[in-house]
Amino acid sequence: AQSVTQLGSHVSVSEGALVLLRCNYSSSVPPYLFWYVQYPNQGLQLLLKYTSAATLVKGINGFEAEFKKSETSFHLTKPSAHMSDAAEYFCAVSDRNDKIIFGKGTRLHILP
Amino acid sequence: EADIYQTPRYLVIGTGKKITLECSQTMGHDKMYWYQQDPGMELHLIHYSYGVNSTEKGDLSSESTVSRIRTEHFPLTLESARPSHTSQYLCASSTSGEIYGYTFGSGTRLTVV
Repeated sequence: AQSVTQLGSHVSVSEGALVLLRCNYSSSVPPYLFWYVQYPNQGLQLLLKYTSAATLVKGINGFEAEFKKSETSFHLTKPSAHMSDAAEYFCAVSDRNDKIIFGKGTRLHILP
Repeated sequence: EADIYQTPRYLVIGTGKKITLECSQTMGHDKMYWYQQDPGMELHLIHYSYGVNSTEKGDLSSESTVSRIRTEHFPLTLESARPSHTSQYLCASSTSGEIYGYTFGSGTRLTVV
C-alpha cells in the first residue's frame, strides 16, 4: 500500500527566505510523485512531478523537488519565498496505475 | 484557461433539498474523480469513474451518488442535503497510459443550512 506523510501541517517562513516543505512516501513499487498547490477557493494545480527521469525536478513558480530513494523523500523547496506563495501544498504518490494518494497538506504562511 | 469546469462555485441550500454538483471536462479524459475536502485541508476520495457507465465508491463513505453517461460529464447528486454535507467538493480527471497527474476543477463550496 502506498502512503504519503507531510511533516508539518503549517509552515511559516519570512519573505525572501528558503521554503522547505517535507514529504516522505511509502511505496512497494517505483513511484510517481507529485506536488500540488491550492490557492484560496481554488482547485489543486500541479506544481511538478517525478516520473523516474531526473531526480531533481523543476516546477512552476521557481519551485523544485528532489527525489531521494534512500530517504524515501520528495521535499519541495524554493530559494526565496514570495508573498504570493502563501497557499496549501499537497504531496502525492501514484503506484503507476493512475490512482493518486494525497498527503494531508501543508499550509504555507509567508511573513512580511 | 480551465479544461475542467465545476458549477456552481458556491451553493447555500436548505436541509432536505436535492442538489446536483456539475463537473465537465473537455480534455477527453477517461478517468474522473470526486473529492471532499474538509476545513483541515485533507482530501477524501468519495467517487471515481474509469469510463462511461463505470462508477466506484472511494475511500470515504458518502451519501452522494454519481453517474457517468458521457465521457465529459460526471455529476454528483445529494438526494437530501444535511448540514454534515457542508464541505468543498473537488472534481478531477486524468487519462490512462500517461502520468500527467490529475487536472482539478475550481471546486464547489457547499453550505447546507
